[in-house]
Order: sequence, then C-alpha cells, then structure tokens
Amino acid sequence: GAVVSQHPSWVICKSGTSVKIECRSLDFQATTMFWYRQFPKQSLMLMATSNEGSKATYEQGVEKDKFLINHASLTLSTLTVTSAHPEDSSFYICSASLGQNYGYTFGSGTRLTVV
Amino acid sequence: QKEVEQDPGPLSVPEGAIVSLNCTYSNSAFQYFMWYRQYSRKGPELLMYTYSSGNKEDGRFTAQVDKSSKYISLFIRDSQPSDSATYLCAMRNNYGQNFVFGPGTRLSVLP
Repeated sequence: GAVVSQHPSWVICKSGTSVKIECRSLDFQATTMFWYRQFPKQSLMLMATSNEGSKATYEQGVEKDKFLINHASLTLSTLTVTSAHPEDSSFYICSASLGQNYGYTFGSGTRLTVV
Repeated sequence: QKEVEQDPGPLSVPEGAIVSLNCTYSNSAFQYFMWYRQYSRKGPELLMYTYSSGNKEDGRFTAQVDKSSKYISLFIRDSQPSDSATYLCAMRNNYGQNFVFGPGTRLSVLP
C-alpha cells in the first residue's frame, strides 16, 4: 500500500528559528501533497496543497511567507515554518493519494513545540 | 452550517458493543467518502473508502452512505479497547482534490 514517511516526528525549537518538515512518498509518486495543521482535540485544518514543480496553493488565512512549501520532486514535499513563534506550536501532518479512486494516506505527523 | 458535521463525543462503550459513528453533510455533490482512525499524537489511518451510496464491509467495520439523506455511518462490531481513538469522516466531490474532514468523534471502549 501507499506509505508516506514524515520526519521529524517531533521537534522543539526556539522562537525566531526555522523548522523544516519533510514528507516522502515511499512507494509511489505523489503529484499532489496536502499539508494540515491540527490543534489538540480538533480536526485537521488544511493549510496548503502542494503540487510538484509549481507553487503551492494556500488556504485562506495561511501566511505564505511563514509556511514555505516546496515540492521539488514527485516523492518529496517540505514544509518550513519560518521565524517560528509559540503560537505555531501544533501537530503538522501531510497526506498524499495514489489517485482519484483511492483514499488519502497520511504521514505520521510532526509535533512542533516552539519555546 | 458547517459543511460536515460530526458529534465530537466522547463516546464510551463497553468492550464487545456495536459502535455507530455518524456524519452529516450539506454538499450534495460529495461522491467520495472516507473514514479515518486517529490515535493520539499519530497521523490518521484510512479505515474505509467508499464511492457514492451503499454499504462496504471490511472485517469488523461497515461503512454506509445514504446520499439521499446526506448521512454516512461507520459501524464497529465487537469493539475492542484498541479501537479507542478519534474517528474522522472525510468526503469530496468528483472534481476537487481535497477532502473535507469532520471534526472527529472520540471513542473509548472500556474493558
């Protein structure tokens, strides 16, 4: 089955620094990947749609300059949280699909804590 | 009205019970429906994926879609403590790539 590998699983960083989160599709090519954010006991909030070789599409209210998304290859998408602040602390998850007739596979998530 | 509604719970049941989890939605264009299970601090895991109306069974899990009522259900038979998790429904239309998620229902199966 489709596997999406996400790293790191958790990270603690200081305010003002940047953090990069990687998602790799291990056994398939992911033309499109999605990045979500999830607060405790809340559902997934779509942040952006990442398309290989083109600019990401951000949801309303998501700062493009703060959450940099790069999808340089068919198997790798990255999310960089720039100049992180404590309010950016959250659970970030990526997902991808094999195609229209398949469900979406999620990465294991990254818990970001900004201190 | 939210596009997808789901009772957040928590829902507590004894081990062995039949669990019924439900979502309602407002967009009649939704055609693809999914159920995910999410353990604490983990990514969601796909349980069931259905297209249009009807039933689908996989082991102890049965998914039902009633498009006329805009209502989908997930049944878990012989529930186990290991089924304790948050269950998310998700759906989309034929054209969009992104699924719309429900807020999730927290389920606790008590031994």
